[in-house]
Amino acid sequence: QVQLQESGPGLVKPSETLSLTCGVSGYSISSGYYWGWIRQPPGKGLEWIGSIYHSGSTYYNPSLKSRVTISVDTSKNQFSLELSSVTAADTAVYYCARGVTMVRGVDYWGQGTLVTVSS
Amino acid sequence: QSVLTQPPSVSAAPGQKVTISCSGSSSNIGNNYVSWYQQLPGTAPKLLIYEDNKRPSGIPDRFSGSRSGTSATLGITGLQTGDEADYYCGTWDSSLSAGGFGGGTKLTVL
Repeated sequence: QVQLQESGPGLVKPSETLSLTCGVSGYSISSGYYWGWIRQPPGKGLEWIGSIYHSGSTYYNPSLKSRVTISVDTSKNQFSLELSSVTAADTAVYYCARGVTMVRGVDYWGQGTLVTVSS
Repeated sequence: QSVLTQPPSVSAAPGQKVTISCSGSSSNIGNNYVSWYQQLPGTAPKLLIYEDNKRPSGIPDRFSGSRSGTSATLGITGLQTGDEADYYCGTWDSSLSAGGFGGGTKLTVL
């Protein structure tokens, strides 16, 4: 059974960098699929952030591209998100997931972690 | 702004059928598979339909999907109160080289 678990600070100050990690169990990232991040502001819809392949190939949401970096550590079977220069608009539940290039749908999701941007 | 357009809400009585539309463009729905997700309150989204009309294991055949041109549709028959949720469509956008979702549709089972 594939499981994903987000970890990282739940509170980030404005202008700082949001950093999250997604640990994967039950499947080796090196075996395939694009992995990535999706977020959901409180009371709003889903926003696609970006994706990464085990080779390091990435795709990013154009509206966030200048501030986003997604990286992968196959030795630890995990991948990470960094979002710089955050503002209150970046407050959201952040989900890590598998299959985020939508070819066969996003089939496995983490439980999500709320990140609040506030001083 | 969402890449794809969905109605904000739909409603129907228990046992009835409902459809949820998802509209896009030639760069996304027109040339890429569509998937659908159900999000119950306080939980992560769950994959309902992938590759336009395929159901993952464990998803009942009350849920169906179709795609035509630059639009897609999710159908739910035999509505149950447990189907009350937010539903999202998703696809890849070849021009943006990015994924995208619809704004979501809240289903109310009256």
